[in-house]
Amino acid sequence: NAGVTQTPKFQVLKTGQSMTLQCAQDMNHEYMSWYRQDPGMGLRLIHYSVGAGITDQGEVPNGYNVSRSTTEDFPLRLLSAAPSQTSVYFCASSVSGLGDEQFFGPGTRLTVL
Amino acid sequence: ELKVEQNPLFLSMQEGKNYTIYCNYSTTSDRLYWYRQDPGKSLESLFVLLSNGAVKQEGRLMASLDTKARLSTLHITAAVHDLSATYFCAVDMNTGNQFYFGTGTSLTVIP
Repeated sequence: NAGVTQTPKFQVLKTGQSMTLQCAQDMNHEYMSWYRQDPGMGLRLIHYSVGAGITDQGEVPNGYNVSRSTTEDFPLRLLSAAPSQTSVYFCASSVSGLGDEQFFGPGTRLTVL
Repeated sequence: ELKVEQNPLFLSMQEGKNYTIYCNYSTTSDRLYWYRQDPGKSLESLFVLLSNGAVKQEGRLMASLDTKARLSTLHITAAVHDLSATYFCAVDMNTGNQFYFGTGTSLTVIP
């Protein structure tokens, strides 16, 4: 199993550009989530999904969209990038959410100029 | 909003010593998670604590949960250099499928 994969590993954007961060898992997990990690702030939940076709907002959803058309994939879209979105983004998955350990992808380091 | 506080934020300890990292949270929750992150790497699950009084041990690490005090501890026994990493605790709110992470404890074990 590849586990949780994320692409790209690094990305530089200009303010106002849009892009999609890809996340895929091959463990047949129902729960998938996106976090951003900023220095001194731990991880903050952006969006999550409890199954295909179901998504919901986390703690910091503004400026991001998600969709979950399959169990395996959970892309994160930045609609109009801003410097405040410079961060490291982690995708994670778990069997069903509450009570389960999460498996994290390798992360995407995003810089917005 | 659920707040999760860890202390200390930075910890430098000598090899062979024992120490405890504390994780306090602000609202009712029956579950707590511990993760480890090496510099520049992703997070790895260490422990999932699912009830009051839960205790789990793996090697030199032992985690416990007191839901009444809203407190979890991660105890390090006879530290070795390989334990140098950042340790995060995370909590969910019993409902809503959302997880809240602490700011992390950066541990450095020195010879």
